[in-house]
Amino acid sequence: QITLKESGPTLVKPTQTLTLTCTFSGFSLSTNGMGVGWIRQPPGKALEWLALIYWDDDKRYSPSLKSRLTITKDTSKNQVVLTVTNMDPVDTATYYCAHTEYYSGAYCFDYWGQGTLVTVSS
Amino acid sequence: QSALTQPPSASGSPGQSVTISCTGTSSDVGGYNYVSWYQQHPGKAPKVIIYEVSKRPSGVPDRFSGSKSGNTASLTVSGLQAEDEADYYCSSYAGSNNPVLFGGGTKLTVL
Repeated sequence: QITLKESGPTLVKPTQTLTLTCTFSGFSLSTNGMGVGWIRQPPGKALEWLALIYWDDDKRYSPSLKSRLTITKDTSKNQVVLTVTNMDPVDTATYYCAHTEYYSGAYCFDYWGQGTLVTVSS
Repeated sequence: QSALTQPPSASGSPGQSVTISCTGTSSDVGGYNYVSWYQQHPGKAPKVIIYEVSKRPSGVPDRFSGSKSGNTASLTVSGLQAEDEADYYCSSYAGSNNPVLFGGGTKLTVL
């Protein structure tokens, strides 16, 4: 059974860097085809894809946020970390991590974490 | 790149069918068969109900179906039930530099 859970600060100040950790179980990011993505959702608004990392360390970023995002993986800990620099109040959102499989349902997220609400305010 | 276009709302009575559209371009929806649909109930994480245009994950009722014509994908919910009331989001592959593009979401109301 695949599960994912996001963790990190619930409140950050403007200009600070946000670091979120996704801890997962039920699969390994060293297995061919596995991937983890980050998606966010501002309150009352639509989903927005942020970043994706695959088993082979291939990394993809949203073009509109690419300069502010970094995604990394720690295979031994079953974790994926997303950092977002220069946080702004418009970055207030629920941040989700989710599982994807490149060779089956590519670019589709089939398992999601519960999400973590991050508020940006001074 | 702009988000995919979905109608903000849709509605239908129990037992009826409703179709939600998702319009993109030849660079995303029209160019690849990697359209997914997600259902999201209030306060919950999204759940995939359709992937690769028309495939249903295990456990998703066959009342949910997906299709695509040109640059527009569609989700049809047949035999509407009260529990289908939720927000629905489409997504599409949009090239190697932007592999996941979401739509603006559609709120489905069961009257």
